[in-house]
Amino acid sequence: GDSVTQMEGPVTLSEEAFLTINCTYTATGYPSLFWYVQYPGEGLQLLLKATKADDKGSNKGFEATYRKETTSFHLEKGSVQVSDSAVYFCALPNSGGSNYKLTFGKGTLLTVNP
Amino acid sequence: AAGVIQSPRHLIKEKRETATLKCYPIPRHDTVYWYQQGPGQDPQFLISFYEKMQSDKGSIPDRFSAQQFSDYHSELNMSSLELGDSALYFCASSSQTVGYTFGSGTRLTVV
Repeated sequence: GDSVTQMEGPVTLSEEAFLTINCTYTATGYPSLFWYVQYPGEGLQLLLKATKADDKGSNKGFEATYRKETTSFHLEKGSVQVSDSAVYFCALPNSGGSNYKLTFGKGTLLTVNP
Repeated sequence: AAGVIQSPRHLIKEKRETATLKCYPIPRHDTVYWYQQGPGQDPQFLISFYEKMQSDKGSIPDRFSAQQFSDYHSELNMSSLELGDSALYFCASSSQTVGYTFGSGTRLTVV
């Protein structure tokens, strides 16, 4: 079945450092891809998404490019802030349409130190 | 803007008790989903409803049941609670034109 393999953390960076969190997927066809963020004690928030190959999703300085040839959707940010400390999940839907369940990666805990 | 509302936010139950979690989706969203997130784990899909009918089922124990009511709110019922049921339970809703929106979750602690 469809699956997501995500770089597991924890990842600890200093403020203004460059961030990469790797995510690769196995899926039938070309599903949409998502990154979700979970801040401490909170729910899941959609960070960004890409719906087709070569699409680049971006939000709050984070970017991820849908790479069909490498089945990857790596998350990057050029300069992290303390407020970016959270758990990041890569996810994909198991089927098309609006009625889909999401399969998540294991999550990567990011800690940014001042 | 209206969000997905879950209640209660926190719930403490004893082993073998029953718990009921409630979810109020965003108006006009036609699908509701339930997920379970254990400590330090990724969210796992439990069950979904489309227009009040069960549309998909994941790794949901037989001790759990769920339904969606005529006003579109959904309830997750968990009986004979076990320590391993302690987790964060998320509800999400979606529609054809708007993707997933998650609620803030209900943290269930079984003691």
